[in-house]
Amino acid sequence: DAGVTQSPTHLIKTRGQQVTLRCSPKSGHDTVSWYQQALGQGPQFIFQYYEEEERQRGNFPDRFSGHQFPNYSSELNVNALLLGDSALYLCASSLHPGTSAQETQYFGPGTRLLVL
Amino acid sequence: AQSVTQPDIHITVSEGASLELRCNYSYGATPYLFWYVQSPGQGLQLLLKYFSGDTLVQGIKGFEAEFKRSQSSFNLRKPSVHWSDAAEYFCAVVLGGDYKLSFGAGTTVTVRA
Repeated sequence: DAGVTQSPTHLIKTRGQQVTLRCSPKSGHDTVSWYQQALGQGPQFIFQYYEEEERQRGNFPDRFSGHQFPNYSSELNVNALLLGDSALYLCASSLHPGTSAQETQYFGPGTRLLVL
Repeated sequence: AQSVTQPDIHITVSEGASLELRCNYSYGATPYLFWYVQSPGQGLQLLLKYFSGDTLVQGIKGFEAEFKRSQSSFNLRKPSVHWSDAAEYFCAVVLGGDYKLSFGAGTTVTVRA
């Protein structure tokens, strides 16, 4: 049973560049959430996708955008990178809203982004 | 304001000793409660969760947690820690019908021989 997978594992970018991170959900899951974890902090919710639509968004600027594909995989895009965007980006998958235990999210290993 | 608090930033425990990690939440309603563990450079692994029912919840790796409504707490315990338990532990909550997990700041556990 494949768990949540993310790519790439590490990434180095410079300020002002754009980045795309990818996530494949756990088998049987159709909902994907993205979190940002700065060094020494707990993860912060960015947004969640279900049925290819953004369902809920955290307190992140419009530079952060996403997409979900028909196979439930998802991308996180960040434009105009800032030094403060350096973090571990975590993807989590879950069952769709309205199902039992929808709130249980399973996390991938993350993508570590360094912005120079 | 809604919040999740983990009062202990860092705990050091001897191998074989017991461990207790504290978590308090401040929400209008009782949220769903989770504990996750994160090893260095890794993602988050779900240890256990509480939605309703029995307030003592068993998880993986020998961990358990107790929900106390009167104290708005969900403390994590392990009777005897192993060196492999050294990691960062996060308490998280989600309100029913909501979609986002809200995390505490985490507690780092160091295990000494």
